[in-house]
Amino acid sequence: DGGITQSPKYLFRKEGQNVTLSCEQNLNHDAMYWYRQDPGQGLRLIYYSQIVNDFQKGDIAEGYSVSREKKESFPLTVTSAQKNPTAFYLCASSKDSQSTDTQYFGPGTRLTVL
Amino acid sequence: EDKVVQSPLSLVVHEGDTVTLNCSYEVTNFRSLLWYKQEKKAPTFLFMLTSSGIEKKSGRLSSILDKKELFSILNITATQTGDSAVYLCAVIHNTDKLIFGTGTRLQVFP
Repeated sequence: DGGITQSPKYLFRKEGQNVTLSCEQNLNHDAMYWYRQDPGQGLRLIYYSQIVNDFQKGDIAEGYSVSREKKESFPLTVTSAQKNPTAFYLCASSKDSQSTDTQYFGPGTRLTVL
Repeated sequence: EDKVVQSPLSLVVHEGDTVTLNCSYEVTNFRSLLWYKQEKKAPTFLFMLTSSGIEKKSGRLSSILDKKELFSILNITATQTGDSAVYLCAVIHNTDKLIFGTGTRLQVFP
């Protein structure tokens, strides 16, 4: 089945630790995105990648890092520099970012910092 | 500053009622507007609207875009408890990124 997978579903980490969230897609989509969702706020863009080995900062990139070594994978690292990392993280992909294609979302990862 | 505003923030209705959700936007070089339904997990796609005045329908849901007045509405007729969710509106603008509104939380009671 084609789709987007994220793992883990729930993640707990201690303050000061880096943690990496996985996002994989087998839709052959060129573009991938990472969003953060907080209560009472809309989705906010962290990073996006239009093509392999290239990515750009979104609106709230500070404290996060990404890589795009393979077309199907776009992992997000939440570093200790991120001041308020507890949130719901959503990964999305679209066929390409040069059109008005719909973005399709993964199931999300809920990160809690203890 | 580009922004997408949804109203109301929250809505509580009884089964069978009809609801209208609003989405207004101010963005540079608008391209498309999307509606998503979000239950407990990730948003699921409902509609993409690019042209003004053309209604899109899917069962009891329908949506229309007004590019002159810069808004869209999402209508749900004969609501059911399964319609309870957060409905997100998002706009694609010239940089091909989505800007999301804060969402409208709909609760449908039997």
